[in-house]
Amino acid sequence: QVQLVQSGAEVKKPGASVRVSCKASGYSFSSYDINWVRQASGQGLEWMGWMNPFSGNTGYAQKFQGRFTMTRNISIATAYMELSSLKSDDTAVYYCARREVIPEPHFDYWGQGTLVTVSS
Amino acid sequence: QSVLTQPPSVSGAPGQRVTISCTGSSSNFGAGYDAHWYQQLPGTAPKLLIYASNNRPSGVPDRFSGSKSGTSASLAINGLQAEDEGDYYCQTYDNSLNDHYVFGAGTKVTVL
Repeated sequence: QVQLVQSGAEVKKPGASVRVSCKASGYSFSSYDINWVRQASGQGLEWMGWMNPFSGNTGYAQKFQGRFTMTRNISIATAYMELSSLKSDDTAVYYCARREVIPEPHFDYWGQGTLVTVSS
Repeated sequence: QSVLTQPPSVSGAPGQRVTISCTGSSSNFGAGYDAHWYQQLPGTAPKLLIYASNNRPSGVPDRFSGSKSGTSASLAINGLQAEDEGDYYCQTYDNSLNDHYVFGAGTKVTVL
């Protein structure tokens, strides 16, 4: 069965960077884009960006351009997101999600989420 | 301010029917893009509930149904159950933004 398993919770200081991993299993990792979505406590879902694991091509939400990077290691079927220059309002749960495009793009499988806390 | 507008909350007694609206615009639903719905139960990750307006993934009960008309979409829950209590989000593609994928702000469903 399809699974996306994310790395554990992180606590970072303002100005630092954080990297979260998302390990895929149960399907061909290179065949589906991975997207990242975050959710601050008590708030809604916010789309951050997409990455094509086959080509490495990426697309970023305007809000995160410049300090958000997505990469992958195909050999271990793992996607990564890195967010730099962290601020307190980056405190949120970060989710990876697989994008299915048939019949239209939607997110059919999600990771369990990784809590990133930014605090001095 | 979300591109897609949902009511903050809806409620109903067990067994009742509730509906959640999701209002978009000419750059998303009105441009022909479909609605997708996600269920987020307390303390869990979102789960795909309905895709392409009215399709259920395997394992989703047929109590859940979706529809889309013009610039709006809706999710209906028939025979509301206590386990349905949680947050529901609509999502689509928007061609007016660099941010391709947009979510509604979410609707809290309370079972009375």
